[in-house]
Amino acid sequence: GAVVSQHPSWVICKSGTSVKIECRSLDFQATTMFWYRQFPKQSLMLMATSNEGSKATYEQGVEKDKFLINHASLTLSTLTVTSAHPEDSSFYICSVPTGNRWTQYFGPGTRLLVL
Amino acid sequence: SQQGEEDPQALSIQEGENATMNCSYKTSINNLQWYRQNSGRGLVHLILIRSNEREKHSGRLRVTLDTSKKSSSLLITASRAADTASYFCATDAYQGAQKLVFGQGTRLTINP
Repeated sequence: GAVVSQHPSWVICKSGTSVKIECRSLDFQATTMFWYRQFPKQSLMLMATSNEGSKATYEQGVEKDKFLINHASLTLSTLTVTSAHPEDSSFYICSVPTGNRWTQYFGPGTRLLVL
Repeated sequence: SQQGEEDPQALSIQEGENATMNCSYKTSINNLQWYRQNSGRGLVHLILIRSNEREKHSGRLRVTLDTSKKSSSLLITASRAADTASYFCATDAYQGAQKLVFGQGTRLTINP
């Protein structure tokens, strides 16, 4: 069964609105979660590391005020795309490190389309 | 920035044939992993090879690692239509951290 879930699986919104994406670790607690963005036919780009109980750490070039991350509990991290624009349309994927530290379980992804 | 470069970017073969994908990276690593992504879905971990290993097998998968050339290859033997997916290599470019840096991926199509 799924280890990591994401909700919603897809969302369409108008430009200027905010969209919240949830990532849940179903089988175990996760102090760290990762958020990636993937444009069509491209690779995954790490956006930020979500840390339970502390601020997220963002990769270079990712606007922290635009992509708000909240790691509210050991099983839930949320990514909010604020004031979304068409260029934010993408596939957003979260992941949770496995017990062996090196591999990750990935969520099924959330496809965002901003009109 | 992306560390990994994969080739080919796209590969189309007949069912039953073997598929080979290559990945190159730039910095030193602790290990290298291969993941699979079905269209519009999340990634699934396939295999991990440590920097002190040269070859690893898992079912129909064979991975090689050449740290002197900073390259790895993934071989899928006796391919099936269900193997159609994108395949990504990932490295732990950030020493001691859990972050992964993904290659550009190879889109594999298996024709029945």
